[in-house]
Amino acid sequence: EPEVTQTPSHQVTQMGQEVILRCVPISNHLYFYWYRQILGQKVEFLVSFYNNEISEKSEIFDDQFSVERPDGSNFTLKIRSTKLEDSAMYFCASKGQGGNQPQHFGDGTRLSIL
Amino acid sequence: SQQGEEDPQALSIQEGENATMNCSYKTSINNLQWYRQNSGRGLVHLILIRSNEREKHSGRLRVTLDTSKKSSSLLITASRAADTASYFCAGARNTDKLIFGTGTRLQVFP
Repeated sequence: EPEVTQTPSHQVTQMGQEVILRCVPISNHLYFYWYRQILGQKVEFLVSFYNNEISEKSEIFDDQFSVERPDGSNFTLKIRSTKLEDSAMYFCASKGQGGNQPQHFGDGTRLSIL
Repeated sequence: SQQGEEDPQALSIQEGENATMNCSYKTSINNLQWYRQNSGRGLVHLILIRSNEREKHSGRLRVTLDTSKKSSSLLITASRAADTASYFCAGARNTDKLIFGTGTRLQVFP
């Protein structure tokens, strides 16, 4: 069964450094998402992306965050200058065309900011 | 506004028993989705129920939706040790983003 893949599985970065999290969505999906889950907390929506532009973003998704679909397969989340509070599990998800379709999630990238 | 508040927060049962988890939400939804998360892993989609549906089955899973009460339940029948995980409901509105609750931690003892 097709799946969403995320790399790396664990990223350790110094505070203030830039980090790029990578995702390969399911190949025929058109809608892409990033969520994050701080340890012990809820999964929180960050951003949705469709037709090469952001559809919606949350308050968390400030100017330090950006997303890109650089080619036909990858979907990336960049954090420009990481902060300690960016430490979390980041999940990518994708969804197919049509109403009421489920979002399929990757296994996540655990981001640790030191 | 919060969406998808599950109860109980934790549930422990023996293999073979049924597990019922409940979810309440506050705003209108187009659909409600249930996910499973094993410790340290990603979210696995279990089942989606549309706002105009009242009940849906998938294998050992049964989901109900009551839009008048803004609530949903997930029933896992004949539970197995492998069902041990956290279970989340998430509502989707027109904007399509999922709003998750805090989840129910299910422990199934062999």
